[in-house]
Amino acid sequence: EDQVTQSPEALRLQEGESSSLNCSYTVSGLRGLFWYRQDPGKGPEFLFTLYSAGEEKEKERLKATLTKKESFLHITAPKPEDSATYLCAVQGRNNNDMRFGAGTRLTVKP
Amino acid sequence: GAVVSQHPSRVICKSGTSVKIECRSLDFQATTMFWYRQFPKQSLMLMATSNEGSKATYEQGVEKDKFLINHASLTLSTLTVTSAHPEDSSFYICSGEAGGLNIQYFGAGTRLSVL
Repeated sequence: EDQVTQSPEALRLQEGESSSLNCSYTVSGLRGLFWYRQDPGKGPEFLFTLYSAGEEKEKERLKATLTKKESFLHITAPKPEDSATYLCAVQGRNNNDMRFGAGTRLTVKP
Repeated sequence: GAVVSQHPSRVICKSGTSVKIECRSLDFQATTMFWYRQFPKQSLMLMATSNEGSKATYEQGVEKDKFLINHASLTLSTLTVTSAHPEDSSFYICSGEAGGLNIQYFGAGTRLSVL
């Protein structure tokens, strides 16, 4: 069964303090690994899709990387508006659906 | 990105009543739509997958007679919580898959409170 584990569960940073979020996964044939941002009381907002090991994608202060076992979401010089829960999900070759991790709650203090 | 509209955003109902939640893809056709449930500080749990014009596929442990899903068109799916009870109180989120990309775009969610 596909599994996704995210760490840490919660992360508190000072504004400008760069860090990384981890997403470890096991899946029977990866079709895609997805990163979403979710604000309280809202639906997830799509950030990135990664399809193969070695792939990287960037968007503003965020950069996602992928290996055969895990993905990292790097946050460079974060701002308070980056505070949110970041969700990782995987889609295997045998499924049309996604399996989500529990998320990392990021708080960036000014 | 693609836009998914979910309505209502919040509903409060009495125990025993039924509640319908609508999910619309506004600028794309969603052959497949998904319904999730999320408890506080927990991740999304898939309830069911619906394909336009066919019966929904429910995850293990989800009662299909309690959570009725209709996907009558490529832009609209509905979830009806029948005879709601307080334990059904939760945050329900839908998503539509933009064809060919395997990316799911999510609605804003519906907060259901059953008294």
